[in-house]
Amino acid sequence: GENVEQHPSTLSVQEGDSAVIKCTYSDSASNYFPWYKQELGKRPQLIIDIRSNVGEKKDQRIAVTLNKTAKHFSLHITETQPEDSAVYFCAASIPRSLTFGGGTRVLVKP
Amino acid sequence: ETGVTQSPTHLIKTRGQQVTLRCSSQSGHNTVSWYQQALGQGPQFIFQYYREEENGRGNFPPRFSGLQFPNYSSELNVNALELDDSALYLCASSLRVPGANVLTFGAGSRLTVL
Repeated sequence: GENVEQHPSTLSVQEGDSAVIKCTYSDSASNYFPWYKQELGKRPQLIIDIRSNVGEKKDQRIAVTLNKTAKHFSLHITETQPEDSAVYFCAASIPRSLTFGGGTRVLVKP
Repeated sequence: ETGVTQSPTHLIKTRGQQVTLRCSSQSGHNTVSWYQQALGQGPQFIFQYYREEENGRGNFPPRFSGLQFPNYSSELNVNALELDDSALYLCASSLRVPGANVLTFGAGSRLTVL
C-alpha cells in the first residue's frame, strides 16, 4: 500500500518568515495530493491540493510543488501569521482512499 | 448547504463493549469514508462506502464494520472494543467522480476506551 512520510514533525518560525513542509510517497499510482490544516480540537480543513498532471499550484500565501519523478511534494507558506499555527497534514491518494503523513506542528511566534 | 455532521462528539466505553458512530454527509455528496486519528498522528483510512456497499478498506480488523444508508448517511460500528481503539473517528464525505477524491471532514467523534 501507499506510505507517506512527512518532515519536519515540528516547525517553529518567526512571524513573517516562510515555512516549508516536505512529504514523500511510495506508490507511483498516487495522483492527487491534498494538504489539510487541523487546529486544536477541530476538523481537518483542506487548504490546497495538487493533481499529478501539475507541477506547482499557488493560492495567495500558500503554494504546493510536486515532483513525480522523485515522489515528493512540498507545502510552502510565505509571510506566516500567528493564525497559521496548527498541525498540517499531507496526503496522497490512490482510488478510494487517502494516506496521510504523520503531521507537522507549526508554531508561528509573534 | 450543510456540512458533514457526526454524533456523538464524545463517548466513553469499556473494553469489550460495542460502539456505533454516526455521520451525515454533506449535501450533494454520495461517498462516505471513515478515518481513525490517534492522538498526535495522522488520520488512518478505515473504509469507504459508496452505493451502500463497502468500496475499499484499510488495515483494520473485521470488528470494524459500517453501513451506508440510501440518504448517504453512514454508521461505523466497532465490536469488542480494545484500549487501542481510543481515538478521534473522522467521517469524510465526497462526490465520486473520475479523478477526484476531495474529502470534506466532520468534526469527529472522540472515543475513549477504559
